[in-house]
Amino acid sequence: DTTVKQNPRYKLARVGKPVNLICSQTMNHDTMYWYQKKPNQAPKLLLFYYDKILNREADTFEKFQSSRPNNSFCSLYIGSAGLEYSAMYLCASARGSDTEVFFGKGTRLTVV
Amino acid sequence: QQKVQQSPESLSVPEGGMASLNCTSSDRNFQYFWWYRQHSGEGPKALMSIFSDGDKKEGRFTAHLNKASLHVSLHIRDSQPSDSALYFCAASEQSNNRIFFGDGTQLVVKP
Repeated sequence: DTTVKQNPRYKLARVGKPVNLICSQTMNHDTMYWYQKKPNQAPKLLLFYYDKILNREADTFEKFQSSRPNNSFCSLYIGSAGLEYSAMYLCASARGSDTEVFFGKGTRLTVV
Repeated sequence: QQKVQQSPESLSVPEGGMASLNCTSSDRNFQYFWWYRQHSGEGPKALMSIFSDGDKKEGRFTAHLNKASLHVSLHIRDSQPSDSALYFCAASEQSNNRIFFGDGTQLVVKP
């Protein structure tokens, strides 16, 4: 099974409320990524786990948190959603930096 | 500054024609380059990789890499309507797992 599963597919959140997105993979990949995708823009790398080590991008460091309780699961947490967080959130996984990255179908987050 | 730039933003070719997509990078640390394709309602899916200078051919798809100019291209010959999708260029370094994507090229193949 080469699928990355994301839940939910659609999420509606209120401004100021927390949001938690879930991702899972069963390929035993060591790296799991979260990207933010807005229309007509590149998928933006937010953070990734290499094994149990979390790496967050400098420009989004304070906006997103994540956890990886085991190899298969990874979450993306927004403590207080703002309108600017409305986007598609793509989870992905890979084994190594020179191998294919497998993406989930994404979670479309709408903040109102 | 965005690390990976793609052109054109959109491209329309007739069925059976040649589609050419371009990608340039601003980071000389990038060693690995990929092309991904995304159909509507799906996540991006890897199409092919290229790590060495020159051409790499897989069926109707040919990727070309010039590391000196940090330019990558993808050429699709005998384009099919099923090739209509959003194509992303991606690049990564050898030393870490960070992978960066371009804005994408929307390809439409008209029957």
